[in-house]
Amino acid sequence: NAGVTQTPKFQVLKTGQSMTLQCAQDMNHEYMSWYRQDPGMGLRLIHYSVGAGITDQGEVPNGYNVSRSTTEDFPLRLLSAAPSQTSVYFCASRSRGQQPQHFGDGTRLSIL
Amino acid sequence: SQQGEEDPQALSIQEGENATMNCSYKTSINNLQWYRQNSGRGLVHLILIRSNEREKHSGRLRVTLDTSKKSSSLLITASRAADTASYFCATVALTGANSKLTFGKGITLSVRP
Repeated sequence: NAGVTQTPKFQVLKTGQSMTLQCAQDMNHEYMSWYRQDPGMGLRLIHYSVGAGITDQGEVPNGYNVSRSTTEDFPLRLLSAAPSQTSVYFCASRSRGQQPQHFGDGTRLSIL
Repeated sequence: SQQGEEDPQALSIQEGENATMNCSYKTSINNLQWYRQNSGRGLVHLILIRSNEREKHSGRLRVTLDTSKKSSSLLITASRAADTASYFCATVALTGANSKLTFGKGITLSVRP
């Protein structure tokens, strides 16, 4: 089973560039989320979605956009990359109710 | 802002010993979850304990929850070198929209062979 798949695994951008981090899950989960992980900070929620067509902001949404046109996909867009967005990004999904999250292996992003 | 705070921040033990990690949180919760993260990988779910539960077991893992003290502990018995990883507690608040998961900063566990 593929689970949650994130692409790319690594990316280097220049300040001001835009890009999309891809996330796909094959478990038919309603809930999907994007987190960033920085040293000493744990995971912080960027955006999340409770179903196709429904998204909402998390703790640190500035500089990021999301959309959820299908149940399977939840891309994260960086509009104009800044060095402060250098981080490891994780996508996760879960089903409805009190259920655990399933994480992808992350995208390691460096902004120069 | 972080809801859960793990303690200690780092733990180093000998293989075969037990490892105890603690998590405290601030607001009432629906459930509390523990995750493991191996270096360079995503988080893997270990165990979920609901607010009306006090203890759960899964293999060598034992989790307790004390809602009166707003704290949880994760015990790994008979540790192995392969248990070396970062461990995170995460909480789902009792109120608020959409059951968002809030993570602590994590505990780094090193198990020496």
